[in-house]
Amino acid sequence: QKEVEQDPGPLSVPEGAIVSLNCTYSNSAFQYFMWYRQYSRKGPELLMYTYSSGNKEDGRFTAQVDKSSKYISLFIRDSQPSDSATYLCAMTRGGGFKTIFGAGTRLFVKA
Amino acid sequence: GAVVSQHPSWVICKSGTSVKIECRSLDFQATTMFWYRQFPKQSLMLMATSNEGSKATYEQGVEKDKFLINHASLTLSTLTVTSAHPEDSSFYICSGNGGSAYEQYFGPGTRLTVT
Repeated sequence: QKEVEQDPGPLSVPEGAIVSLNCTYSNSAFQYFMWYRQYSRKGPELLMYTYSSGNKEDGRFTAQVDKSSKYISLFIRDSQPSDSATYLCAMTRGGGFKTIFGAGTRLFVKA
Repeated sequence: GAVVSQHPSWVICKSGTSVKIECRSLDFQATTMFWYRQFPKQSLMLMATSNEGSKATYEQGVEKDKFLINHASLTLSTLTVTSAHPEDSSFYICSGNGGSAYEQYFGPGTRLTVT
């Protein structure tokens, strides 16, 4: 079993839709949860991070962490064609432990 | 956000030759840098972790004599692929740690093609 599971998609939605991206994990020691966006042939860029459980909102993006279920989500409201990219979840224990990445979900937002 | 550059962005080399990839943190000091490789439509695979001034720590299955990593300063790390073979063709991405557990800033990646 992988430490982090993420459905690779692809996920195709119409412009303006609400997108839900999810990851599950098995290591209860993870404390930091991140979402990265990666455009084709580019390096990932950090979108959001959350420490421990809870929600965090930044513009059209909302990150949720449910540690009891070992489940994290990223919601994108009013999705735009420019949101078309691969979204990778990532998590770490902190304190020098390495970051574990999910496989990434490819998202296509159709105009 | 913090900026990391990589050079070259794309390189083609012949089998048996060596290739060096540079990774620079442009506006922050990265005490720790990471090197990943990524195959098409797959996630990032951590190759090694390097701390400035010390030897890199390689992940299991990564040949340290083949993938030489040098972290000479707080803003520069290099990855040298020695005696490259076609199976080393991949997308190599570096990242620098900005000081917090979650802060990893990635370079734009280097596409290596070995013919």
